[in-house]
Amino acid sequence: SSELTQDPAVSVALGQTVRITCQGDSLRKYYASWYQQKPGQAPVLVIYDKNNRPSGIPDRFSGSNSGNTASLTISGAQAEDEADYYCNSRDSSENRYVFGTGTKVTVL
Amino acid sequence: EVQLVQSGAEVKKPGESLRISCEGSGYSFSNYWMGWVRQMPGKGLEWLGIIYPGDSDTRYDPSFQGRVTISADKSISTAYLQWSSLKPADTAVYYCAVRGSSDAFDIWGQGTTVTVSS
Repeated sequence: SSELTQDPAVSVALGQTVRITCQGDSLRKYYASWYQQKPGQAPVLVIYDKNNRPSGIPDRFSGSNSGNTASLTISGAQAEDEADYYCNSRDSSENRYVFGTGTKVTVL
Repeated sequence: EVQLVQSGAEVKKPGESLRISCEGSGYSFSNYWMGWVRQMPGKGLEWLGIIYPGDSDTRYDPSFQGRVTISADKSISTAYLQWSSLKPADTAVYYCAVRGSSDAFDIWGQGTTVTVSS
């Protein structure tokens, strides 16, 4: 199966912008979705179909895609955005999926 | 309201069997793919497999094929994840999640903690 690679950790000052990247061959063919997970909680979808936000997700979250890399940008990071973030896409095989390795975002 | 409610925490011994469940409500259960995800202690999310409850079409990640079984009973809007012989390495939180009309898992269950220890 395919792999999706993320940086293990990033930090951002309160109110500043941070970009999280996700690299993998499957992203050349399929869009990434992004999930936020806070300690002890289930993941929450924050971006799907490259750059769509579910209802209730703040517009400071945005997504983009280029070649084999997908990105999640948090513009004006808030303290409540501190969490682990995972990308996900279909695998190269039909109807199978793969998660990225995850990025821990710290808001300073 | 669309909701997934998972069964409660389990503590099992190595070699025992187990089936955990995920009940969907507020949507047409049969018509949306349901996935299962593992999270080992302190680790990331791992995709196990997915089932279409309407016809029980099931796909597994190669790493989990033969190690777990995914099934569904559309008559009671419930999906299952089961093991025939648990190992300590199966200790994890397991989530179910519905794949909506987009290609993303937009609703998640609360998670079921499985602990396997002698």
